[in-house]
Amino acid sequence: GDSVTQMEGPVTLSEEAFLTINCTYTATGYPSLFWYVQYPGEGLQLLLKATKADDKGSNKGFEATYRKETTSFHLEKGSVQVSDSAVYFCALSAPYNNNDMRFGAGTRLTVKP
Amino acid sequence: EPEVTQTPSHQVTQMGQEVILRCVPISNHLYFYWYRQILGQKVEFLVSFYNNEISEKSEIFDDQFSVERPDGSNFTLKIRSTKLEDSAMYFCASSVLKYEQYFGPGTRLTVT
Repeated sequence: GDSVTQMEGPVTLSEEAFLTINCTYTATGYPSLFWYVQYPGEGLQLLLKATKADDKGSNKGFEATYRKETTSFHLEKGSVQVSDSAVYFCALSAPYNNNDMRFGAGTRLTVKP
Repeated sequence: EPEVTQTPSHQVTQMGQEVILRCVPISNHLYFYWYRQILGQKVEFLVSFYNNEISEKSEIFDDQFSVERPDGSNFTLKIRSTKLEDSAMYFCASSVLKYEQYFGPGTRLTVT
């Protein structure tokens, strides 16, 4: 079935460093792709999304581009802040899967001052 | 901005007891979901609900689990006889468009 694989963490960066968290997907059709963020002690928040190939989702300085040719949706940010420390989940959903969200394992990011 | 709410935020129960987790989805949403996250693990789909019936459920969602939309606003998850391994964070989600789900803050269930 459809699934996502994201890079294992934890990832530790210094403030203002460049961030990449890799995510690749396997799908029988054309899913929508998402990044969710979970701050310590909180629930899941939608960070950004892309619904078709070549779409770029962006929010709060984070970006991810839906690449059909490489089946990827890597999350990037040019300059991370301490407040970005959280767990990031890549996810997909598709109508042929009844739109239930399939999550990756999550990548814990820690940003140090 | 409207949001999904869940109560309680933390529930402690003894093994074998029944628990009901409550969710209030966003008011104009039509699709409702439950997920769970065992500590330190990935978020797993449990069940989806549309038009007053279950539309899909995972292998985790066995006979011990049930869902209900008892009135026009609440969406509940019941676990009939809790086991230690049911300890997890349970997330409710809702959507108006099928592909974009909004998650609640979660209920942490601890089974002792």
